[in-house]
Amino acid sequence: GQQLNQSPQSMFIQEGEDVSMNCTSSSIFNTWLWYKQDPGEGPVLLIALYKAGELTSNGRLTAQFGITRKDSFLNISASIPSDVGIYFCAGQSGSARQLTFGSGTQLTVLP
Amino acid sequence: GAVVSQHPSRVICKSGTSVKIECRSLDFQATTMFWYRQFPKQSLMLMATSNEGSKATYEQGVEKDKFLINHASLTLSTLTVTSAHPEDSSFYICSARGLAGVSRYEQYFGPGTRLTVT
Repeated sequence: GQQLNQSPQSMFIQEGEDVSMNCTSSSIFNTWLWYKQDPGEGPVLLIALYKAGELTSNGRLTAQFGITRKDSFLNISASIPSDVGIYFCAGQSGSARQLTFGSGTQLTVLP
Repeated sequence: GAVVSQHPSRVICKSGTSVKIECRSLDFQATTMFWYRQFPKQSLMLMATSNEGSKATYEQGVEKDKFLINHASLTLSTLTVTSAHPEDSSFYICSARGLAGVSRYEQYFGPGTRLTVT
């Protein structure tokens, strides 16, 4: 089956620093999505990418859909304490548009 | 917009009993709903895909007779864990995909249901 490799697995950064995380796949996806999950909650959609090469921003978040359609990255600029959480990438494919999730990046922001 | 609710948020049940979890799309119609299971410190694993009015499609390794899914309307899907055992204890999350526009491609997740089987 399809697999997504997400890295890094965890990050400890100082407040105000920029963060970058990425996902790579062994196969092509039609859509890439980035989610944030807080403890005990469902994932919340941050950014959706629909075209290869697309670069999209949402406030301090920027994500890109890789030109090969097999990878994507998410950048967070000027991190703040509420950025703490687990970030998941997800690739979408198939007629029902199922999502395959990456393993997640646990982000900790130190004051 | 694009709000998905789940009920209950937490449930504790005894081994051998059945538990029903509801997933509702509150402000949009969802042709397709998905059910995921997430174990501690792990990613979300897709269990099944359900389309309104038809039988659910289960992922490999997921027992369809144990995890009964009903998607009776465009705003409601239910997951029933039958004869629950302690190893079924997990965080169950649903998501919904809309009918038209951008929400056709995006999945919106419910807040999850924590199931504990004693």
